Amino acid sequence: DIVMTQSPATLSVSPGERATLSCRASHSVSINLAWYQQKPGQAPRLLIYGASTRATGIPASFSGSGSGTDFTLTISSLQSEDFAVYYCQQYSSWPRTFGRGTKVEIK
Amino acid sequence: QVQLQQSGPGLVKPSQTLSLTCAISGDSLFSNSAAWNWIRQSPSRGLEWLGRTYYRSKWYNDYAVSARSRITINPDTSKNHFSLQLNSVTPEDTAVYYCAREDGGYSNSFDYWGQGTLVTVSS
Repeated sequence: DIVMTQSPATLSVSPGERATLSCRASHSVSINLAWYQQKPGQAPRLLIYGASTRATGIPASFSGSGSGTDFTLTISSLQSEDFAVYYCQQYSSWPRTFGRGTKVEIK
Repeated sequence: QVQLQQSGPGLVKPSQTLSLTCAISGDSLFSNSAAWNWIRQSPSRGLEWLGRTYYRSKWYNDYAVSARSRITINPDTSKNHFSLQLNSVTPEDTAVYYCAREDGGYSNSFDYWGQGTLVTVSS
């Protein structure tokens, strides 16, 4: 199975600041990488697919980059509703696997 | 707008069978591009894909190796829903279970999710 490793586990950021989250795959997944946002008590929400394509309705403040094994999710200016846990997921091979998440908290 | 509505018991006794259903609206089980998945989430295992069912002229299933001996995912075409059965459960199977659509025609990601069902395995 492809192991997805996210860092840091927790990121403390002030509102209005930029957040940069990392995801590393144990084997190349090309650009077959998605990012999800999850808030307490809710299901994950698709943010980014194809490593850099925003899903429908996702604001431009969210951007993804990377290919192969190293990926980044950037939130350009954190709003109150952006404080949540973010997961990466590869869909290059089976089984689909997720990282353990990065919690973005208010500093 | 696609919506997935889950139903099923929140408490299952050890060694018994966990059964959940996911009702689809706004899409069809017979979609040529979608696949219908079950994913669970627990503090110990994180988000874990369990399996899927999909239709491409006939029905197919894929299951996670870790669950293959205990899991069945079935489509119910008369109701446009699909189900999860997990046999011989243990406390390790305690988790929030989600159904999710995999958009095979566009994003290849899980673009719609059910609301989640917390299933506790306990006597």
